[in-house]
Amino acid sequence: EPEVTQTPSHQVTQMGQEVILRCVPISNHLYFYWYRQILGQKVEFLVSFYNNEISEKSEIFDDQFSVERPDGSNFTLKIRSTKLEDSAMYFCASSETSGRYNEQFFGPGTRLTVL
Amino acid sequence: AQSVTQPDIHITVSEGASLELRCNYSYGATPYLFWYVQSPGQGLQLLLKYFSGDTLVQGIKGFEAEFKRSQSSFNLRKPSVHWSDAAEYFCAVNTGGFKTIFGAGTRLFVKA
Repeated sequence: EPEVTQTPSHQVTQMGQEVILRCVPISNHLYFYWYRQILGQKVEFLVSFYNNEISEKSEIFDDQFSVERPDGSNFTLKIRSTKLEDSAMYFCASSETSGRYNEQFFGPGTRLTVL
Repeated sequence: AQSVTQPDIHITVSEGASLELRCNYSYGATPYLFWYVQSPGQGLQLLLKYFSGDTLVQGIKGFEAEFKRSQSSFNLRKPSVHWSDAAEYFCAVNTGGFKTIFGAGTRLFVKA
């Protein structure tokens, strides 16, 4: 069964460093998403991406974040200058459609630890 | 604004007992509803979903959920809990847009 994959599974970085989290969505999916889950809290939407542009973003997704689909398979989340509060589990998701019947398939997550 | 409420932060049930996890949503029309399970340190696994039609939906691992429009609820049930069901359960809603909105989660503890 096709699945969303994410790398790395765990990333440790120093405050102020840039990190790139990588995702490979399901191959025939057109819509891509990033979510964040701070330890012990709920899963929060960050951004959705379609047709090489951001379709929706939350207030969390500020200028230090960016997303990109650099090739036909990868979807990345870049955090330019990490802060301690960026420590969280980051989930990538993809879906075939948006709107009605939008079922998003989630990857296993990348745990980001900022020291 | 759309929201999802899971009133129980944690629930403890005995193995073999029945389980019901509560979920209420706030949205004017019929949303698209999901239940996910997350084991410690793991990702999100979809248990079941409701888009339309029969209001009682069956999912994986013996779970079911019932959509009740009048109560704005989508409670998750299982007739007999197994120790391996201990995890965090998230109710989620999509209102036809891009984002899925999650509840705060209910942590399930199973005692022998």
